[in-house]
Amino acid sequence: GENVEQHPSTLSVQEGDSAVIKCTYSDSASNYFPWYKQELGKRPQLIIDIRSNVGEKKDQRIAVTLNKTAKHFSLHITETQPEDSAVYFCAASNLGSARQLTFGSGTQLTVLP
Amino acid sequence: DTEVTQTPKHLVMGMTNKKSLKCEQHMGHRAMYWYKQKAKKPPELMFVYSYEKLSINESVPSRFSPECPNSSLLNLHLHALQPEDSALYLCASSQDLSAGTEAFFGQGTRLTVV
Repeated sequence: GENVEQHPSTLSVQEGDSAVIKCTYSDSASNYFPWYKQELGKRPQLIIDIRSNVGEKKDQRIAVTLNKTAKHFSLHITETQPEDSAVYFCAASNLGSARQLTFGSGTQLTVLP
Repeated sequence: DTEVTQTPKHLVMGMTNKKSLKCEQHMGHRAMYWYKQKAKKPPELMFVYSYEKLSINESVPSRFSPECPNSSLLNLHLHALQPEDSALYLCASSQDLSAGTEAFFGQGTRLTVV
């Protein structure tokens, strides 16, 4: 089955700096890679996703890049703000399997004011 | 309406109790899921329903019993739980089981077993 590894487990940045979170996946058949943000005590919420036919996607301060050859994808947050502080989970979806999302272990991002 | 609604938000139950968690969505999604999430861990898939039929059971103990009465509702019946079953239980739905369809999560039920 799919295995998703996520690094780092914790990340602290100063407000205004950029944050990068990286994930690798094992199943070359995976073709959908969402990123979820989960604030303390709240539900995971999709912030951005990318499909395997695209190498990069951007939405305002958030961008995701995908390298299918290396089987890794990354989340980039620019101009970080304190409200970006949360746990971020990457995930991969395995084409042809009903297993749906396999999550990474999560990154606790703290943006220091 | 892009909401997945779960009730109750909090639940405390004894090990001999029987309780049910409920999940509802009105987005016309035909795939619904139960996840279990422990503190500071990612969600772990428990069950997947597709068109009201159980598609995946991730080797979940029988003290957890899912039910999908119709395309909008998903229940999780709980019986004889253990303290280690205390967790956040998340329901999610997606359009269908096709890869690449966004999963929407409910706000979860925080379950404490005493």
